[in-house]
Amino acid sequence: EVQLVESGGGLEQPGRSLRLSCVASGFNFEEYAMQWVRQVPGKGLEWVSGINWNSDTIGYADSVKGRFTISRDNAKNLLNLQMNSLKPEDTALYYCAKTNKNNYEHYIDVWGKGTTVTVSS
Amino acid sequence: NFMLTQPHSVSESPGKTVTISCTGSSGHIASNFVQWYQQRPGSAPTIVIYDDNRRASGVPDRFSGSIDSPSNSASLTISRLKTEDEAEYYCQSFDSENLHVVFGGGTKLTVL
Repeated sequence: EVQLVESGGGLEQPGRSLRLSCVASGFNFEEYAMQWVRQVPGKGLEWVSGINWNSDTIGYADSVKGRFTISRDNAKNLLNLQMNSLKPEDTALYYCAKTNKNNYEHYIDVWGKGTTVTVSS
Repeated sequence: NFMLTQPHSVSESPGKTVTISCTGSSGHIASNFVQWYQQRPGSAPTIVIYDDNRRASGVPDRFSGSIDSPSNSASLTISRLKTEDEAEYYCQSFDSENLHVVFGGGTKLTVL
């Protein structure tokens, strides 16, 4: 079964850092691009970041560029999102998502259940 | 930056047909594929239509996608509506200039 399991969410103060992780299973992780998408409860989907299969192309939403860093470890089937200089507006449910091809311009065919990040003092 | 605009909500009766639009802010919406996702409350989104008009596995043929280049828009059409179709629907595409994935704001479909 194809599965994505996120972890690392929690309550953190503004200006601090959090590191989200996503463990993938059930597919050949190294062949596919991955993404992070977030959603404030009751609001729409917001793309956060994407990374191609071999990490040669990476993109960030303007709202997180310079603060968040996406990375992957293909040997460990692991996707990470390092979140620095957190802001209250980063509060959301963060989904790990698998793209159906090796670059993230294509559609998402698998979503995790999400991990909740709350930024508040 | 490229943006996608959807109506906030639509409603229709069971058995009828509804169309949800997704309009690009600039450029040519046909330049990159458009996807449609369905999200029910409390669940992650699932792919419904990909590459403009291809149905995802398991999606009934009541769902169809199309592109209208003159209006720079994409559409999701659901025919023979069922109450189970009630959900939030998001269009999505790609901004090649900025290497950004773009989601529309979402459309809440009510079937009543």
